[in-house]
Amino acid sequence: QQPVQSPQAVILREGEDAVINCSSSKALYSVHWYRQKHGEAPVFLMILLKGGEQKGHEKISASFNEKKQQSSLYLTASQLSYSGTYFCGTVGGSQGNLIFGKGTKLSVKP
Amino acid sequence: GAGVSQSPSNKVTEKGKDVELRCDPISGHTALYWYRQRLGQGLEFLIYFQGNSAPDKSGLPSDRFSAERTGESVSTLTIQRTQQEDSAVYLCASSLNRPHNSPLHFGNGTRLTVT
Repeated sequence: QQPVQSPQAVILREGEDAVINCSSSKALYSVHWYRQKHGEAPVFLMILLKGGEQKGHEKISASFNEKKQQSSLYLTASQLSYSGTYFCGTVGGSQGNLIFGKGTKLSVKP
Repeated sequence: GAGVSQSPSNKVTEKGKDVELRCDPISGHTALYWYRQRLGQGLEFLIYFQGNSAPDKSGLPSDRFSAERTGESVSTLTIQRTQQEDSAVYLCASSLNRPHNSPLHFGNGTRLTVT
C-alpha cells in the first residue's frame, strides 16, 4: 500500500528549514528516502530500519517511529542544491518490495 | 564503477507494437526493480526480482506487461500491443541485497513514447 507524503510541495528561502513526512497504514520494516532532480534519476539519501539502525548521508537527518508507522526527513539550513522532489519508500516486510509515495516537491529560492 | 545501465534511452513506437526495455544492474546486485514514472508523477512499482525470481508481480498494470531476469543479471521488460497510456519513463534500479536494508541505485531510464 502506497505511503502518504506531506506536504505535497514546499517553497523555502536559502537557509530555512523544512520537514517532510511519510506515513503508512501498515507495519513497516524500513523506510527509504530519495531525491530526484528534474530530468534525472532518483538518488539515495537514507534508509531507516526497525530497531533504530540508519544508513545514509551524514548531512541528512531523519526519524522513524515504528509504532506510528511514520518517518520524517529533516532538511536544515537549506541550500539551492536541495531543490528537487523527495520520495519516501516503504518496505512492509523483509521479503517485501519497495513502494514509493507520490513525492514532495521542494523549491529553494535565493 | 559502472552503474545501472538501461537501453534504449529513448524509444518511440506506434500504438499496437511490442517493445523490449533492457536493464543491466550493478554487478553482484541480487535485487532488481522496475518502476514507471509518468510525466510529473511519482514512481509506480511494477515488479521486483530477487535473483531470477519475482516474488511479487502484482504491480504489473496488465497482462500486456511481462518481465524476466536471467543469470541474476540482465532484465528485460516487455510491453505487448503498446497503448498511448504506456508512454512514460521506465526506471530500473538494483540493490546489493533485499530492499529492506539496501539502497536502490537507479538507471537513467528509458523514455517510451507511444504514438
